[in-house]
Amino acid sequence: KAGVTQTPRYLIKTRGQQVTLSCSPISGHRSVSWYQQTPGQGLQFLFEYFSETQRNKGNFPGRFSGRQFSNSRSEMNVSTLELGDSALYLCASSEVPGIGTEAFFGQGTRLTVV
Amino acid sequence: DQQVKQNSPSLSVQEGRISILNCDYTNSMFDYFLWYKKYPAEGPTFLISISSIKDKNEDGRFTVFLNKSAKHLSLHIVPSQPGDSAVYFCAALSQGGSEKLVFGKGTKLTVNP
Repeated sequence: KAGVTQTPRYLIKTRGQQVTLSCSPISGHRSVSWYQQTPGQGLQFLFEYFSETQRNKGNFPGRFSGRQFSNSRSEMNVSTLELGDSALYLCASSEVPGIGTEAFFGQGTRLTVV
Repeated sequence: DQQVKQNSPSLSVQEGRISILNCDYTNSMFDYFLWYKKYPAEGPTFLISISSIKDKNEDGRFTVFLNKSAKHLSLHIVPSQPGDSAVYFCAALSQGGSEKLVFGKGTKLTVNP
């Protein structure tokens, strides 16, 4: 069974630009969560989608948004990029929401904003 | 406000000795706790968990202890191996609440041969 796939793996963007990151969950998993990892803040929850609906949202500005498609693939978008958005963005999938033991993480997308 | 705190950013131990990683939480609604391990350039992988109805859970070399009154949990690795060198994240969730995982900032464990 293929794991969680995140694309691209690395990305360099300029301040003010926007970016879209993609996450393909494990086959059969309908829940996808996104996290931002920075050295100073650790792993911070961005949002969670289940069956194309956003179930939970973390404390991030409206520049961060996401969506989930009918095939459970998810995208997150960051508009008007700031230097502080440089981070590793991780996606995790699970069969159903909220069961931490069954959440599998992808390798992440390393975003650098210059 | 950091609801899950890992106050030691790093820990170094000798191979064969015990590694103890600590985690404190502030939200009394948390009732399920997990530890994840993360190697560089990889996503976190689940290691071990504990429900609030237990005070100990053991899986091979890994044991997690939960002290609800102190809102404290710890991960013990015995014996430590060089391959255990990684960043360890403590996470918590409220199964009856928002059900989202709240992570600590992580502790980098280095096991020296």
